[in-house]
Amino acid sequence: QISLKESGHTLVKPTQTLTLTCDFSGFSLGTNSEGVGWIRQPPGKALEWLALIYWDDDKRYSPSLQSRLTITKGTSDNQVVLKMTNMDPVDTATYYCVHRRYFYDNFGRARDFFDPWGQGILVTVSS
Amino acid sequence: DIQMTQSPSSLSASVGDTVTITCRASQSISTSLNWYQHSPGKAPNLLIYSASRLQSGVPSRFSGSGSGTDFTLTISSLQPEDFATYYCQQSFSPPITFGPGTKVDIK
Repeated sequence: QISLKESGHTLVKPTQTLTLTCDFSGFSLGTNSEGVGWIRQPPGKALEWLALIYWDDDKRYSPSLQSRLTITKGTSDNQVVLKMTNMDPVDTATYYCVHRRYFYDNFGRARDFFDPWGQGILVTVSS
Repeated sequence: DIQMTQSPSSLSASVGDTVTITCRASQSISTSLNWYQHSPGKAPNLLIYSASRLQSGVPSRFSGSGSGTDFTLTISSLQPEDFATYYCQQSFSPPITFGPGTKVDIK
């Protein structure tokens, strides 16, 4: 059974760098086809995809946030770290770590979806 | 970026009702469309992937259909635990994008 859990500072000041860690079990990022992502949800707003890292260390970022985001494997194949620089109050949100799954579409290409999700961590940006 | 829209933005329904939520993509995404349920205080939960494939463990009262730009999520015989917000998500073309959500509440 797969589970994921986010950890990190829950209160950061504007301009600081946010570092979030996702510890997971039930799969390994060292295994072919596995991936882990981050998605956030500001209070009262919709979900926003941030980043994905794949088993082969390929990485994908939201274009609107790419300059501020870095996703890496952690100290083991069961950990992923997300860094977001220059935090602003608009970045206040619940941040979710997600397990990437995929299906093959009619063109034979792998398409991502997310299951399961971590419980989320509420990060508040305030001075 | 592919823009996702959902309608309605909210709806009120009663236990036992059948509800339908629509998701539209700004360009064709084939069947690369997934649906999630998000209840307050819980992590979002995958319901449907590839437009119509029911995720293991999800009740059969949930169903999805559509291809191209127009998709629907149908909940038959609404149960108390189904009152939540529902999001669609496309992964046809990066970046991955979500719809704005449809909140289903109790009439």
